[in-house]
Amino acid sequence: NAGVTQTPKFRVLKTGQSMTLLCAQDMNHEYMYWYRQDPGMGLRLIHYSVGEGTTAKGEVPDGYNVSRLKKQNFLLGLESAAPSQTSVYFCASRRLAGETQYFGPGTRLLVL
Amino acid sequence: KNEVEQSPQNLTAQEGEFITINCSYSVGISALHWLQQHPGGGIVSLFMLSSGKKKHGRLIATINIQEKHSSLHITASHPRDSAVYICAVRGTDKLIFGTGTRLQVFP
Repeated sequence: NAGVTQTPKFRVLKTGQSMTLLCAQDMNHEYMYWYRQDPGMGLRLIHYSVGEGTTAKGEVPDGYNVSRLKKQNFLLGLESAAPSQTSVYFCASRRLAGETQYFGPGTRLLVL
Repeated sequence: KNEVEQSPQNLTAQEGEFITINCSYSVGISALHWLQQHPGGGIVSLFMLSSGKKKHGRLIATINIQEKHSSLHITASHPRDSAVYICAVRGTDKLIFGTGTRLQVFP
């Protein structure tokens, strides 16, 4: 049982480049989340999904897109990376409403 | 003003000391979470509570719904407790996070 995994662990992008972050969970969880963590700020929700085929915007969705084509995977896309998107990105999942969230190890992204 | 406030922001302790981290919130919640973020970055859920008190090993979490306040206590602190402790509150489907308390425990 790997839990929640994230790929890649670290990436450097140039401004304007695109990339996709992959989150995978093997716990059959319905809910999945993408957060970003910046110095001096709490984790902020980018997008989330309450089930396969569904997505919704969180607190800071601009500049990001997501897809949940398979229940176990939640993809976060940056179409045209900007230096303001330099951050650590965490994925999380949980089985049902009101239950504990399980976090992935994080992806450190640097946009130059 | 943030919806979730933690204090202190930074905390230094000697091994064996009793630690208290506080969390105050200003929104209605269905539950409150305490999380631990290790120096390597990984985030682990410690507690989820909606009333009263929970204990796990040397960690104790309490919540007072009327006062909108929660505390995380660590008894007999150890250097391996050094981490960032994060309070988060659940409104509907989403969590609202505090900025964390960085704890360093020295031998």
